[in-house]
Amino acid sequence: QKEVEQNSGPLSVPEGAIASLNCTYSDRVSQSFFWYRQYSGKSPELIMSIYSNGDKEDGRFTAQLNKASQYVSLLIRDSQPSDSATYLCAVKGGNSGYALNFGKGTSLLVTP
Amino acid sequence: EAGVVQSPRYKIIEKKQPVAFWCNPISGHNTLYWYLQNLGQGPELLIRYENEEAVDDSQLPKDRFSAERLKGVDSTLKIQPAELGDSAVYLCASSSAVSHEQYFGPGTRLTVT
Repeated sequence: QKEVEQNSGPLSVPEGAIASLNCTYSDRVSQSFFWYRQYSGKSPELIMSIYSNGDKEDGRFTAQLNKASQYVSLLIRDSQPSDSATYLCAVKGGNSGYALNFGKGTSLLVTP
Repeated sequence: EAGVVQSPRYKIIEKKQPVAFWCNPISGHNTLYWYLQNLGQGPELLIRYENEEAVDDSQLPKDRFSAERLKGVDSTLKIQPAELGDSAVYLCASSSAVSHEQYFGPGTRLTVT
């Protein structure tokens, strides 16, 4: 079983809508959670990190963490066509130590 | 502040040839990572360095892959000999001792023919 699961998509949302990206992980003792954005042909870019249960907001992005349910999500408000990319969920800590365990990513398409 | 620097950006080689990738981490970042990313997959860790010491290389195929980080700054990843299945993007990342957030370089896209 893959340790970090994401729906591969594509997730299509209209411009201005809220995009909701979800991720589940299997290692219950994981400690740190990250969202990376990856444009086609580019490398992953860190956009959010979250370490404790609850919500963390940064501009149009909100990360949500629920350790009891082993679930982390990313909300993108007022989605723009420039947000179209693959979003990678990464989990660190627990049995993986310092390594980041990545999901396969969710492809997001924001249509004008 | 400059980001992680990698070179070359692209490399095309024939199978059985050697190849090397170079990485310069963000200044002050003592932890350096090499990841491999296949198309449609998330990055997978090959090796992690704390300063000049390789502390996690369990996923590195040691029969053909080697890495070094002399003086605890720049790092080189080598493949010898390359196989067709090594075609992928090789990513270098670094992090500081304070935040542990990892920042990636632009990557090297390797094509083995």
